[in-house]
Amino acid sequence: AQSVTQLGSHVSVSEGALVLLRCNYSSSVPPYLFWYVQYPNQGLQLLLKYTSAATLVKGINGFEAEFKKSETSFHLTKPSAHMSDAAEYFCAVSPLSGGGADGLTFGKGTHLIIQP
Amino acid sequence: DAGVIQSPRHEVTEMGQEVTLRCKPISGHNSLFWYRQTMMRGLELLIYFNNNVPIDDSGMPEDRFSAKMPNASFSTLKIQPSEPRDSAVYFCASSLPPGAPEAFFGQGTRLTVV
Repeated sequence: AQSVTQLGSHVSVSEGALVLLRCNYSSSVPPYLFWYVQYPNQGLQLLLKYTSAATLVKGINGFEAEFKKSETSFHLTKPSAHMSDAAEYFCAVSPLSGGGADGLTFGKGTHLIIQP
Repeated sequence: DAGVIQSPRHEVTEMGQEVTLRCKPISGHNSLFWYRQTMMRGLELLIYFNNNVPIDDSGMPEDRFSAKMPNASFSTLKIQPSEPRDSAVYFCASSLPPGAPEAFFGQGTRLTVV
């Protein structure tokens, strides 16, 4: 069984500041890990994915995440926040053994607020 | 590719009525997922199909919910009879495991049951 915990339902940062969104996972088997972004009234868009290759993963819009097995974490970062980054962010996990065919388990989401 | 296409985008119905949500996955994808999103429960996986076969429907909340995938390019999620607590955004997603495990989501159907 898998689960995801996202610390902080709301995170507020100033424009130009570092963005850090936290994700910890629990999985009985090696995982795939994902970050998705959701803008209002839209579907989820993939930001980046970890598939057991490089532990530091770069995604779209300047975001990246690092897989740390010892900490069971997959935190999302961006060096400099932009107003357009304001959205809901979801961390998700899927068992690697299933190849992604088993569906994703999502965290509760973190609402990112960008202060001008 | 047009992506995952869901219809309708919005549905308002009265309690007790039948509701059918539709999904066209990305061409060539062999896995399809139905999710429900609410403020209280977040994103929940309801059911998923691999190669048109339902694999796990343990997330379907009640017998009032049913899903079908008659072919590789079409799936439906039906609620009969609908209840106000079914109000939510329903997402369909598809993927192409094992090489590409990420799910691609449709725009969702916002269902309101009054």
